[in-house]
Amino acid sequence: EDQVTQSPEALRLQEGESSSLNCSYTVSGLRGLFWYRQDPGKGPEFLFTLYSAGEEKEKERLKATLTKKESFLHITAPKPEDSATYLCAVHHNQGGKLIFGQGTELSVKP
Amino acid sequence: DVKVTQSSRYLVKRTGEKVFLECVQDMDHENMFWYRQDPGLGLRLIYFSYDVKMKEKGDIPEGYSVSREKKERFSLILESASTNQTSMYLCASSDRGRRGTEAFFGQGTRLTVV
Repeated sequence: EDQVTQSPEALRLQEGESSSLNCSYTVSGLRGLFWYRQDPGKGPEFLFTLYSAGEEKEKERLKATLTKKESFLHITAPKPEDSATYLCAVHHNQGGKLIFGQGTELSVKP
Repeated sequence: DVKVTQSSRYLVKRTGEKVFLECVQDMDHENMFWYRQDPGLGLRLIYFSYDVKMKEKGDIPEGYSVSREKKERFSLILESASTNQTSMYLCASSDRGRRGTEAFFGQGTRLTVV
């Protein structure tokens, strides 16, 4: 069964303290792994798509990487405005639907 | 920019009412989805549609139905609202491609059933 597991559930950082979020997945034939950011009370906002092991994508302080079993979202020198829940999802073969992990709630304190 | 618009941000309905949640996307996407999001349970797929008049059940379709009469519009219907359907509802759309394509979400509808 396709499954996505994110860790940790919650992460508290001081401003400037770099860290990584993990997304482990099991899927029969990966057709894409996606990272989203979600602010409280809002819909998820798309960040990155990764398709192949070894692929990397960057955007400002965020960098997403992909291996055959997991993906990491690296946050370099985070700022308080990076506080949000980060969601990972994999593409399912059936009809384009996404299977989501539970998310990591990131809090960055000044 | 892709835009997915949900008809209401907040909705309060009474138990037993029939509730319609509307979603419109402006990017000519084939796929559209309805999720609900609850604390501790994450995003769960209710229904999805990969073409006009086509629909597929997701993981939790009980108590819901959908309608897709036009490509840009996907409606979620709660036939008889119950308190356990109080939740955040999220609509999304995506393109159909050879590889998986990212889904774009609306702003969400916070539904409270009293």
